[in-house]
Amino acid sequence: DADVTQTPRNRITKTGKRIMLECSQTKGHDRMYWYRQDPGLGLRLIYYSFDVKDINKGEISDGYSVSRQAQAKFSLSLESAIPNQTALYFCATSAQKGKRDNEQFFGPGTRLTVL
Amino acid sequence: GENVEQHPSTLSVQEGDSAVIKCTYSDSASNYFPWYKQELGKRPQLIIDIRSNVGEKKDQRIAVTLNKTAKHFSLHITETQPEDSAVYFCAAGLTGFQKLVFGTGTRLLVSP
Repeated sequence: DADVTQTPRNRITKTGKRIMLECSQTKGHDRMYWYRQDPGLGLRLIYYSFDVKDINKGEISDGYSVSRQAQAKFSLSLESAIPNQTALYFCATSAQKGKRDNEQFFGPGTRLTVL
Repeated sequence: GENVEQHPSTLSVQEGDSAVIKCTYSDSASNYFPWYKQELGKRPQLIIDIRSNVGEKKDQRIAVTLNKTAKHFSLHITETQPEDSAVYFCAAGLTGFQKLVFGTGTRLLVSP
């Protein structure tokens, strides 16, 4: 089945370290998103990309950067990790057109802990 | 920008009871309102959505209502079952644009 995958699934790192979270999809979708989930705060959008040449900041982009290496790959980087970036990170995709063109499909999540 | 508020943050019901989760949004331009369910340790998944040209939509035991004038929408689950226990997120956005703003989530617990 076409899917959205994330690597790593869990990661523990130290303050100041650079870390990259990767997202791949086989759904053939052109739109990809990065969210973080914190208890009581829901899902907050970090960055989104509507195609390979289009990158947009979300509501909480400070401290993060992204790279859209191909239609199927969208990476999130923390240049210098800090403890308040400890969270569950989700990648999601959606199709520009089609029967379910508004639905976002989420990956399994990456649990990041910054010590 | 859009702001979505969701209540309650937790909801406990007995199996067979109904559950209602409410959301309000701030941007009158929003016209797409999905609901996602996240089971423990799992990824969020769309369960139902509604567009602003419709006031109510049903799918078996779940329904969503929308009041555009008041800028609020609600999820209704009837005849709740233990497998309905999960965190539910509402969201608001624009059809075609696909950038969503999510509510803070409601943890629903259905006791047998």
